[in-house]
Amino acid sequence: EPEVTQTPSHQVTQMGQEVILRCVPISNHLYFYWYRQILGQKVEFLVSFYNNEISEKSEIFDDQFSVERPDGSNFTLKIRSTKLEDSAMYFCASSELKGQMMNTEAFFGQGTRLTVV
Amino acid sequence: KQEVTQIPAALSVPEGENLVLNCSFTDSAIYNLQWFRQDPGKGLTSLLLIQSSQREQTSGRLNASLDKSSGRSTLYIAASQPGDSATYLCAVNDYKLSFGAGTTVTVRA
Repeated sequence: EPEVTQTPSHQVTQMGQEVILRCVPISNHLYFYWYRQILGQKVEFLVSFYNNEISEKSEIFDDQFSVERPDGSNFTLKIRSTKLEDSAMYFCASSELKGQMMNTEAFFGQGTRLTVV
Repeated sequence: KQEVTQIPAALSVPEGENLVLNCSFTDSAIYNLQWFRQDPGKGLTSLLLIQSSQREQTSGRLNASLDKSSGRSTLYIAASQPGDSATYLCAVNDYKLSFGAGTTVTVRA
């Protein structure tokens, strides 16, 4: 069964360092998303991406964050200068386009646990 | 801003009992609603998707209802098993998913 895959599963980084979280969405999906879940809190939306550009972003997604689809299969989230409060589980998700309906079922990866020390 | 609330926050039942998980949301202008399962430290597994035009969706022992006008959805799990122990998340979709905090279910053998 097709699935969203994320690497690495766990990353530890020092405060101020740049990190890149990687995702391979399901192959025929056109919409890609990043969400995060701080320990003990709700899953929060960060950004959605369609047709090689950001379609929507939350107030969390400030200038330290960026997303990219560097090739036909990968989707990345870059955090430029990590802070302690960026420690969280980061989830990638994808969904397909069915006709004109863009908001179809979202499928999530297993997440990358980012720990900033 | 969409707010999603799930009640109860935790639930413990003996095996075989039916489960009822509630979700409410403040803005009824949604495209669909998804229920997810999350095991500790793991990702989100999609259980059911209900389109805004639907009232109900079923998959095996799971049944979800949606009353968009009143901003409510209910997930029913029939004949619970210990393997159903997990956190269940409700998420409403209005171009992005807004999640509730979840209901943590423990099914006792």
